[in-house]
Amino acid sequence: SQELEQSPQSLIVQEGKNLTINCTSSKTLYGLYWYKQKYGEGLIFLMMLQKGGEEKSHEKITAKLDEKKQQSSLHITASQPSHAGIYLCGADIRKTGNQFYFGTGTSLTVIP
Amino acid sequence: DSGVTQTPKHLITATGQRVTLRCSPRSGDLSVYWYQQSLDQGLQFLIQYYNGEERAKGNILERFSAQQFPDLHSELNLSSLELGDSALYFCASSEGVGDRGFKGFNYGYTFGSGTRLTVV
Repeated sequence: SQELEQSPQSLIVQEGKNLTINCTSSKTLYGLYWYKQKYGEGLIFLMMLQKGGEEKSHEKITAKLDEKKQQSSLHITASQPSHAGIYLCGADIRKTGNQFYFGTGTSLTVIP
Repeated sequence: DSGVTQTPKHLITATGQRVTLRCSPRSGDLSVYWYQQSLDQGLQFLIQYYNGEERAKGNILERFSAQQFPDLHSELNLSSLELGDSALYFCASSEGVGDRGFKGFNYGYTFGSGTRLTVV
């Protein structure tokens, strides 16, 4: 089983629609990162959340960290074709020692 | 276990020193990628090797070097260490040449668990 599960695995939306991607951990989260990869390009760092209840926004992308639920959500408002790509969460999960895990990834397609 | 093995898991060393991080790719994978993740910068691509040859280079400092050996394991050498080099260093592998990006856990691109380097 994965330490970090993302849902949905893939998403196809019409341009202009809002969408949410979730990242759920089986362990307590200590720092959660969101990344994006455009097809054929490298990973792009979006934002990092550290505190429960923390919320950060960049342009039309908002991420929240719910520490109690051990979950983070990434919300895109009024999606555009430029938002298309693979979204990946990563988190520092402390078990016996610090270990970093990546989520399973969410592929987003935005139809013009 | 993802199949990508990184050693050591933790490393603490002093400024000015040199360390070597090791990565064994998943069986059958020919490409190895190195990434650095610091707290405030997210994941930064360093370098990629494919079947023993350097394939792509990212934001890798001159103080850092890497190589991939005939058995396909790779080593990342960090020298003249500075406090700012403290970070998580990830290795990833993929079957083909691919690109330096990530194609998703289910798409043949697998990360190791990382080496946490602390420079004091």
